[in-house]
Amino acid sequence: EAGVVQSPRYKIIEKKQPVAFWCNPISGHNTLYWYRQNLGQGPELLIRYENEEAVDDSQLPKDRFSAERLKGVDSTLKIQPAELGDSAVYLCASSLEALAGTEQFFGPGTRLTVL
Amino acid sequence: LAKTTQPISMDSYEGQEVNITCSHNNIATNDYITWYQQFPSQGPRFIIQGYKTKVTNEVASLFIPADRKSSTLSLPRVSLSDTAVYYCLANSGNTPLVFGKGTRLSVIA
Repeated sequence: EAGVVQSPRYKIIEKKQPVAFWCNPISGHNTLYWYRQNLGQGPELLIRYENEEAVDDSQLPKDRFSAERLKGVDSTLKIQPAELGDSAVYLCASSLEALAGTEQFFGPGTRLTVL
Repeated sequence: LAKTTQPISMDSYEGQEVNITCSHNNIATNDYITWYQQFPSQGPRFIIQGYKTKVTNEVASLFIPADRKSSTLSLPRVSLSDTAVYYCLANSGNTPLVFGKGTRLSVIA
């Protein structure tokens, strides 16, 4: 069974440029998460989707970050414009549902470097 | 959200049993305790989860005392490939997982 797929794996851009990350969750998983992980830190939740609805985006910097999950399957996370402090690994995860006790499956992440 | 506290790092020799203790003094009645493992350049991976007493799977054991204010992840006979960061989390309902800095385990030959 394929796991969570993310692309690209690495991205280097200059500040003020836009960037987008793509995630394909495990088939049948209704819940999708985007996390950001800074060096030496644990992942921090940016946004959670239940099907195509964003149900928790309280940690998403809405002035420059946006996300969508069309048709409740694939998802895209965008940053425009990128800042130096956005350099991090962006992880996508999915689960059958959002309840505690439900295992989250993580993708390999996209490592973003902003110069 | 329950806050968890765990050691920043641990070292162990191959073949030894490793116990990583996590403190969660303000754990809520409905909180589950979950451990994830993360290797470099990979996303975290679920290891084990429990609510109380002891849970064991093919990878690890999780010990949770009656007061549930702490838990211990036990890795039997570690190998070099167990070198990773281990995260202890507590959550319930549909509250999000809150990852701390985790425990960086280094296994030495």
